[in-house]
Amino acid sequence: AQSVSQHNHHVILSEAASLELGCNYSYGGTVNLFWYVQYPGQHLQLLLKYFSGDPLVKGIKGFEAEFIKSKFSFNLRKPSVQWSDTAEYFCAAGQDFGNEKLTFGTGTRLTIIP
Amino acid sequence: ETGVTQTPRHLVMGMTNKKSLKCEQHLGHNAMYWYKQSAKKPLELMFVYNFKEQTENNSVPSRFSPECPNSSHLFLHLHTLQPEDSALYLCASSQIPTGDTQYFGPGTRLTVL
Repeated sequence: AQSVSQHNHHVILSEAASLELGCNYSYGGTVNLFWYVQYPGQHLQLLLKYFSGDPLVKGIKGFEAEFIKSKFSFNLRKPSVQWSDTAEYFCAAGQDFGNEKLTFGTGTRLTIIP
Repeated sequence: ETGVTQTPRHLVMGMTNKKSLKCEQHLGHNAMYWYKQSAKKPLELMFVYNFKEQTENNSVPSRFSPECPNSSHLFLHLHTLQPEDSALYLCASSQIPTGDTQYFGPGTRLTVL
């Protein structure tokens, strides 16, 4: 069965620290990968996505993620976090040609301490 | 309004009530989705509509009944719910088959007493 795993449930960092959130997927065939963010009281928003091409994907607000096919991973990174990055982060995967059936991870709650 | 809107934002209902959640997308997309977001669980896909036709029912109990009158509107009719159905219900839309991103609404926080 298709699945997405996020092993970090709650991460607490100080401002300016570097961030890496893990995401592993279990999918057969070509896969599209996404990171969504949910800020407190707001709706899910797309941070970045990988469909094909350069495995290092840059998104909004200084976030990036690297697709490593051999490790079935799509980890999210940011070199220096800000207090405003406090949010819940969700990794998701879908099949190529039609992402109707996105599978989400359980999410990682990120708390940034000023 | 832009994006995906959902009403109501909060709903409290008894187990014998009948209520409906509404979703509207202003993005010109042809696919709409209902998801359930419960604490400490992954987002669960409930239903998918593609050009108003239901293409996915992810083993959802019949007490949840979706309706998609056109590609811009999606409803979720609720009846005889259980307390464990309390959750955040999210609507999303996308353009398929281009495989593009799903855009989410703010959700309806449902509490079943």
